[in-house]
Amino acid sequence: GQNIDQPTEMTATEGAIVQINCTYQTSGFNGLFWYQQHAGEAPTFLSYNVLDGLEEKGRFSSFLSRSKGYSYLLLKELQMKDSASYLCAAVDSNYQLIWGAGTKLIIKP
Amino acid sequence: GAVVSQHPSRVICKSGTSVKIECRSLDFQATTMFWYRQFPKKSLMLMATSNEGSKATYEQGVEKDKFLINHASLTLSTLTVTSAHPEDSSFYICSARPLGQDTGELFFGEGSRLTVL
Repeated sequence: GQNIDQPTEMTATEGAIVQINCTYQTSGFNGLFWYQQHAGEAPTFLSYNVLDGLEEKGRFSSFLSRSKGYSYLLLKELQMKDSASYLCAAVDSNYQLIWGAGTKLIIKP
Repeated sequence: GAVVSQHPSRVICKSGTSVKIECRSLDFQATTMFWYRQFPKKSLMLMATSNEGSKATYEQGVEKDKFLINHASLTLSTLTVTSAHPEDSSFYICSARPLGQDTGELFFGEGSRLTVL
């Protein structure tokens, strides 16, 4: 079956760095998305990886290892506004999104 | 956990026809549901916010007469693609927020792949 695993909740300190991991098992693979969702709002796109390696975008970076079925989202210089849920979603061979349950990130002062 | 079901998961239609996609919250009520569209290898794009008992709120650039949204009950929202054309072929996904839930967590449907010939 197809499956996405990511931690349910993580806590980090303002100004620090946090890494949110995601492992996936899909029928075929056409990339992986990370989304951020603040409470009460629709998710917003953060990153898309389809090739192995690290994609850096400002304070956020996303890494993919296709051979390991593994991705992570790295958030640097954490700010209070980064408190949100982070959704990992893999794209299967039919271009359907397989969603993780999301990781709730709590930032403490 | 809360479950959101979309139907159909796949649909193929001829150009010029209309297609209806249903989004149901199976074990919770939702006053708000969101409709997204995703093209291959592209970002998920919010199309509109569906509000139970009132008109949907559309994002900029989304034609409201083209994509009709009806949120007639607390468990069902429908998206109708009218006079579909090949450029409307895409992956459509809905999400719903449980009524009374303060966290704002959204639950997503499985998505519906539309192919217009």
